[in-house]
Amino acid sequence: QVQLVQSGAEVKKPGASVKVSCKASGYTLTGHYMHWVRQAPGQGLEWMGWINPNVDSSNYAQNFQGRVTMTRDTSISTAYMELSRLRSDDTAVYYCARGYNYGPRSALDIWGQGTVVTVSS
Amino acid sequence: QSALTQPASVSGSPGQSITISCTGTSSDVGGYNYVSWYQQHPDKAPKLMIYDVSNRPSGVSNRFSGSKSGNTASLTISGLQAEDEADYYCNSYTSSSLWVFGGGTKLTVL
Repeated sequence: QVQLVQSGAEVKKPGASVKVSCKASGYTLTGHYMHWVRQAPGQGLEWMGWINPNVDSSNYAQNFQGRVTMTRDTSISTAYMELSRLRSDDTAVYYCARGYNYGPRSALDIWGQGTVVTVSS
Repeated sequence: QSALTQPASVSGSPGQSITISCTGTSSDVGGYNYVSWYQQHPDKAPKLMIYDVSNRPSGVSNRFSGSKSGNTASLTISGLQAEDEADYYCNSYTSSSLWVFGGGTKLTVL
């Protein structure tokens, strides 16, 4: 079945970087955009950006410009999200989510299980 | 990009209908027919309930429906059931190929 499996929980110190992986199965990674969404404890969903795995292009929300990088490795059907210069308010659950069709305008039909990232000194 | 505006909470009794609004601008909700709605139960990943304003994915109950008028989109749940109690988020495509979420609405089934 179609699913996204994310890497495990991370604990990082302020100023460090974190890289979360998202392995796709049951479909072709390059056939759908991949989005990243985060949710701080007790807060709402925040859209971070998308990557087009087919041509390795990406687009990031203004709040994350300069700190986030989304990449992919098509040989292992995996997308990555790296966030740098971590702060305590980056503590959140990070989700990858697939666009249901090819293109940036597709809603998010398949979600990963989430990766907890804790930033603490 | 500012978050879309949703009511913090709504409630209804089993069998009743409720509507959750999602207000944006002409640069997002009003400018595109790419509004989606997600249901999230505690400690679970969100689930797509409505896409492209009013379309239901396969497997989603027809008790869920979506609509849009101007800069405001709406999610209506009819025949409320206990299992519908969850947080609901709207999401809209915006200019510059970006997306934005609403702040979320907590639905309580009384």
